[in-house]
Amino acid sequence: DTAVSQTPKYLVTQMGNDKSIKCEQNLGHDTMYWYKQDSKKFLKIMFSYNNKELIINETVPNRFSPKSPDKAHLNLHINSLELGDSAVYFCASSRGDYYGYTFGSGTRLTVV
Amino acid sequence: DAKTTQPPSMDCAEGRAANLPCNHSTISGNEYVYWYRQIHSQGPQYIIHGLKNNETNEMASLIITEDRKSSTLILPHATLRDTAVYYCIVRVLSGGSNYKLTFGKGTLLTVNP
Repeated sequence: DTAVSQTPKYLVTQMGNDKSIKCEQNLGHDTMYWYKQDSKKFLKIMFSYNNKELIINETVPNRFSPKSPDKAHLNLHINSLELGDSAVYFCASSRGDYYGYTFGSGTRLTVV
Repeated sequence: DAKTTQPPSMDCAEGRAANLPCNHSTISGNEYVYWYRQIHSQGPQYIIHGLKNNETNEMASLIITEDRKSSTLILPHATLRDTAVYYCIVRVLSGGSNYKLTFGKGTLLTVNP
């Protein structure tokens, strides 16, 4: 009955590979987000979608491509993975900018 | 580029009130203050937010100074499960009419038995 669920929880892959992280929310929220938390624990917004439309793209390399098939899903596809992509990626959703975000439990990506 | 300053760490005794300060001296008139926390290895959890009035919910109270340059998050009766990194965030515009939350370094609150 998880509100914001991400899969997989852990992902270990080699440099150069392409991988996807999936996110689904069952809260009926209109807005979804991807955040990246690096090894220094800084949380940085990557993307924001509202009703399947991209509204924020924070100068993320174009190897990262978010896809929102419907407003309950926001997936993150990463091409040509690099060592620096290793981080914990969090998906979140909200009713709108004013409201609090509900975060998923994160996907720990390790690129070797 | 967070607009907030928080102490890196604080301690609190179990059962006592935890008062977490935050400075946001460059806050604009229509920018809200949000508080989140992150318990180790979990996703951030929303706590409370406010503009200029004090706010209270089942988790905490938020006290914002009259000049809005600082605020304090109050956990009235801290428990061991409240040990976490607490983030004070000013919601800012990110181009057009969309807002974003920029997390800073936060305060590691350790609740001691």
